[in-house]
Amino acid sequence: DTGVSQDPRHKITKRGQNVTFRCDPISEHNRLYWYRQTLGQGPEFLTYFQNEAQLEKSRLLSDRFSAERPKGSFSTLEIQRTEQGDSAMYLCASNGGVGTGELFFGEGSRLTVL
Amino acid sequence: DAKTTQPPSMDCAEGRAANLPCNHSTISGNEYVYWYRQIHSQGPQYIIHGLKNNETNEMASLIITEDRKSSTLILPHATLRDTAVYYCIVRDTGGGNKLTFGTGTQLKVEL
Repeated sequence: DTGVSQDPRHKITKRGQNVTFRCDPISEHNRLYWYRQTLGQGPEFLTYFQNEAQLEKSRLLSDRFSAERPKGSFSTLEIQRTEQGDSAMYLCASNGGVGTGELFFGEGSRLTVL
Repeated sequence: DAKTTQPPSMDCAEGRAANLPCNHSTISGNEYVYWYRQIHSQGPQYIIHGLKNNETNEMASLIITEDRKSSTLILPHATLRDTAVYYCIVRDTGGGNKLTFGTGTQLKVEL
């Protein structure tokens, strides 16, 4: 257990529905990252926050995706109008912002779009 | 794009040392080499990192060549629980500590 919590762990939805994932980072960590991982591939960077500011977004983050970290603590990743291609593991990680730069990952939220 | 090249898979006998190679020939002077691993259905786990010198911790050793164009992660006494995908990542000191993963090496430890 790294101390990063993600919810839900599994989500099955129908195409066209909206889904939201939540990440609770390690409490003193000011940086929070979202990644997506599909079968057989390494995690792909989506976006990251420093406190409540979203500082970088990947081109993978289409306009159907939105991430927030309103109080600089937990974060949500929402996918609107889901497509089958959105089926993946969504990973969250946090980092203290100084020192080694080690990222602490959660267990992930697995999304299946039918 | 990932800046590293790793073999897609390796096998190792339990109790023996597992030596996982990584090529990073375009690494620049301020870029660190990080190793993470991912056990099936879990999030990636940090193992070790280094800049120029060899490093050792309770999990592994990292050997970086003098020209820094390649490195080797050594698990001194591999166990079945070390079966995982191992990712070698070159990370800039800037960029918000973002990591760019490749496809890694699937290490299978067998009896």
